[in-house]
Amino acid sequence: EPEVTQTPSHQVTQMGQEVILRCVPISNHLYFYWYRQILGQKVEFLVSFYNNEISEKSEIFDDQFSVERPDGSNFTLKIRSTKLEDSAMYFCASTPQYEQYFGPGTRLTVT
Amino acid sequence: AQTVTQSQPEMSVQEAETVTLSCTYDTSESNYYLFWYKQPPSRQMILVIRQEAYKQQNATENRFSVNFQKAAKSFSLKISDSQLGDTAMYFCAFMGPYGGATNKLIFGTGTLLAVQP
Repeated sequence: EPEVTQTPSHQVTQMGQEVILRCVPISNHLYFYWYRQILGQKVEFLVSFYNNEISEKSEIFDDQFSVERPDGSNFTLKIRSTKLEDSAMYFCASTPQYEQYFGPGTRLTVT
Repeated sequence: AQTVTQSQPEMSVQEAETVTLSCTYDTSESNYYLFWYKQPPSRQMILVIRQEAYKQQNATENRFSVNFQKAAKSFSLKISDSQLGDTAMYFCAFMGPYGGATNKLIFGTGTLLAVQP
């Protein structure tokens, strides 16, 4: 059964460094998302992406964040200059229309 | 703006028994989608069940079923014959009518379910 994959599973970085989180959505899906979950809290929407452009972004998704689909398979989330409060689990999701399928997540730890 | 409320932070159930997790939501839309996701200790988000608001029939998936009360804006999840592997955080989520990239999922705060042997 096809699934969403994410790499790395865990990333530790120092404050101020750039990180790139990678996702490979399910191949025939057209819509892609990033969500964030701070430890012990609910899952929050960051950004949605369709047809090589951002469809919607949340207030969390400020100028430090960017997304791109550099080729036909990868979907990346870049954080330009990480802050301590960016420490969280980051989930990628994809959908053909309604049901969103999530990857296993990347745990980002900013020290 | 849509909101999702899960009023039970934690619940416990004995193995083989039935448990119901509550969820309420607020929206002005007439059509929308509701989901339950399971997050085990691995923190993977796993889709459990989906309900379309225009369908009167409650969705079921094996041991999982929902009680969807549109007028009351209530969407509870019933787990029958609970198993140890059901131990997880359960999130209720709302999606607006159009799907695709125009609609993100809005999650509740979750209910931590512990299944006791």
